[in-house]
Amino acid sequence: EAGVTQSPTHLIKTRGQQATLRCSPISGHTSVYWYQQALGLGLQFLLWYDEGEERNRGNFPPRFSGRQFPNYSSELNVNALELEDSALYLCASSWGSGLGEQYFGPGTRLTVT
Amino acid sequence: EDQVTQSPEALRLQEGESSSLNCSYTVSGLRGLFWYRQDPGKGPEFLFTLYSAGEEKEKERLKATLTKKESFLHITAPKPEDSATYLCAVQAGAAGNKLTFGGGTRVLVKP
Repeated sequence: EAGVTQSPTHLIKTRGQQATLRCSPISGHTSVYWYQQALGLGLQFLLWYDEGEERNRGNFPPRFSGRQFPNYSSELNVNALELEDSALYLCASSWGSGLGEQYFGPGTRLTVT
Repeated sequence: EDQVTQSPEALRLQEGESSSLNCSYTVSGLRGLFWYRQDPGKGPEFLFTLYSAGEEKEKERLKATLTKKESFLHITAPKPEDSATYLCAVQAGAAGNKLTFGGGTRVLVKP
């Protein structure tokens, strides 16, 4: 069974640009989560999508946004990039919208120069 | 606000030297506690879910336990391939499905 996949693996952008990150969940999973892992800050929750709807949002500015498509894949968009947005962005998926473990992808390393 | 604290931050072990990692939490209504393993530059790999105090789970050399205020990950007779960062996370009632993570414990097992 294929795991969570993310693309691209690495992304280099300039301050002020926009970045788009993509995620495909495990087959059968309908919930997708996005987390940011910045150096020294640990894993921070960004967004949760389930059945195409945004269900919860972490303490991040509105320039972090995303969407979930009918096939349950998801996209994270970061507008007006700042240097401190440099981090590993991790996508996770889970069964339905209930309690349960989340399975993570390999991440996208975003570097803002 | 939910809080998760892991200790120690780093642990150096000799191969075969058993030890325990601690995860203490302060949450409103624990729904689940999760342990993950993360290798450098990779995504976290799911290890265990614990739902209620007294519960224990085992996998190879790893054993996770849960009390009302903390969880322990015991590593028995570790091997160099057990070297990784071990992350603890909680799901709590008011926070929906999001995971709140601790800072992790970096474990290095020397041959």
